[in-house]
Amino acid sequence: DAKTTQPPSMDCAEGRAANLPCNHSTISGNEYVYWYRQIHSQGPQYIIHGLKNNETNEMASLIITEDRKSSTLILPHATLRDTAVYYCIGSTSGTYKYIFGTGTRLKVLA
Amino acid sequence: EPEVTQTPSHQVTQMGQEVILRCVPISNHLYFYWYRQILGQKVEFLVSFYNNEISEKSEIFDDQFSVERPDGSNFTLKIRSTKLEDSAMYFCASMPGLAGGEQYFGPGTRLTVT
Repeated sequence: DAKTTQPPSMDCAEGRAANLPCNHSTISGNEYVYWYRQIHSQGPQYIIHGLKNNETNEMASLIITEDRKSSTLILPHATLRDTAVYYCIGSTSGTYKYIFGTGTRLKVLA
Repeated sequence: EPEVTQTPSHQVTQMGQEVILRCVPISNHLYFYWYRQILGQKVEFLVSFYNNEISEKSEIFDDQFSVERPDGSNFTLKIRSTKLEDSAMYFCASMPGLAGGEQYFGPGTRLTVT
């Protein structure tokens, strides 16, 4: 199972880009990197995932380094509603269970 | 947009009682999961379920726990004899298939054991 490491907390000004880093140096070649967020005690919400290439969707962009040892989630224009705990997850092949870490608590400041 | 639903939103039970937490996964999804989150702690994997059987389970998922998909739509988690330490948020998730599919989580059931 890929172990991920994230900073415990970050602040970001509203309207600015939030860049959330994740280290996943033990990820294997067929393991995807998933990003989720959890607002208060709600169910984790899917944001984006990728394998090798950079990805973008309506919520965020995911930049994965060429060696796949780390990635960065980018929220291009953070809003107050983006305040949440963000999890970087390296899912295992097979049953694709998620191993959650402690995540990064992002606070968007007005 | 389809979503995973869970009932009840909050369940209070006495120690030693049996509880059943219910989930309705997204239609046509094939993989189902239960996770739990003790207050202030990480989200923890409990069990994965595919093709009407358990695919994988964690150390937490001992003989007190069981899962079932009784009617092709519901997915249940049963705790036979609850303990105080079972108090947590329980999240159900479903996934359409493998090969990079993402899991969709329900809103959770808060279980309080007194």
